[in-house]
Amino acid sequence: SYVLTQPPSVSVAPGKTARITCGGNNIGSKSVHWYQQKPGQAPVLVIYYDSDRPSGIPERFSGSNSGNTATLTISRVEAGDEADYYCQVWDSSSDLAVFGGGTKLTVL
Amino acid sequence: QVQLQESGPGLVKPSQTLSLTCTVSGGSISSGGYYWSWIRQHPGKGLEWIGYIYYSGSTYYNPSLKSRVTISVDTSKNQFSLKLSSVTAADTAVYYCARAPYGDYPGPVDYWGQGTLVTVSS
Repeated sequence: SYVLTQPPSVSVAPGKTARITCGGNNIGSKSVHWYQQKPGQAPVLVIYYDSDRPSGIPERFSGSNSGNTATLTISRVEAGDEADYYCQVWDSSSDLAVFGGGTKLTVL
Repeated sequence: QVQLQESGPGLVKPSQTLSLTCTVSGGSISSGGYYWSWIRQHPGKGLEWIGYIYYSGSTYYNPSLKSRVTISVDTSKNQFSLKLSSVTAADTAVYYCARAPYGDYPGPVDYWGQGTLVTVSS
């Protein structure tokens, strides 16, 4: 089955840029969605279809997808961005929704 | 504003069947346009997709759980349900119900329930 690989953790100082990657075989041919999950809360969609942003999500959140890597970029990181982030795709060859293992973003 | 709320027992004995219901408010399941989903998260772990159902009853299931999972919909009550049979401690998790746009394939999950912890223990 299709596998999505994320780094377990990413650390960034406030005001800097965080980049969280999601690796998968030819992931550039798939649509990638990103979710933010804070402790004790349900996930929240922050980027969909690679780079679209739901209403209410700050413009600081952006996404890209090419080749074997999709990337969630958070600019001007704030303390409130500290959370777990998950990428997700639909694997049409298996009719299966696949999540990455998640990345814990720590704001130093 | 769509809201989803999970309900069901928080404790299930091993080998029994886990049953959860998701009640949808602020939108009608029978209107179509969305897949209704169950997703779980083992304690301290990542997200695992269980399956989707469309209002017509068509389903997609995670192959790793397919033999034990049934997702059904009751449009008259605006609810959909999950049954997971022959549970073990490995099925202990927070279970989320969720919604994803309908299309050639399910889109991103745009609404989530708050989640409910189900513990499998004797």
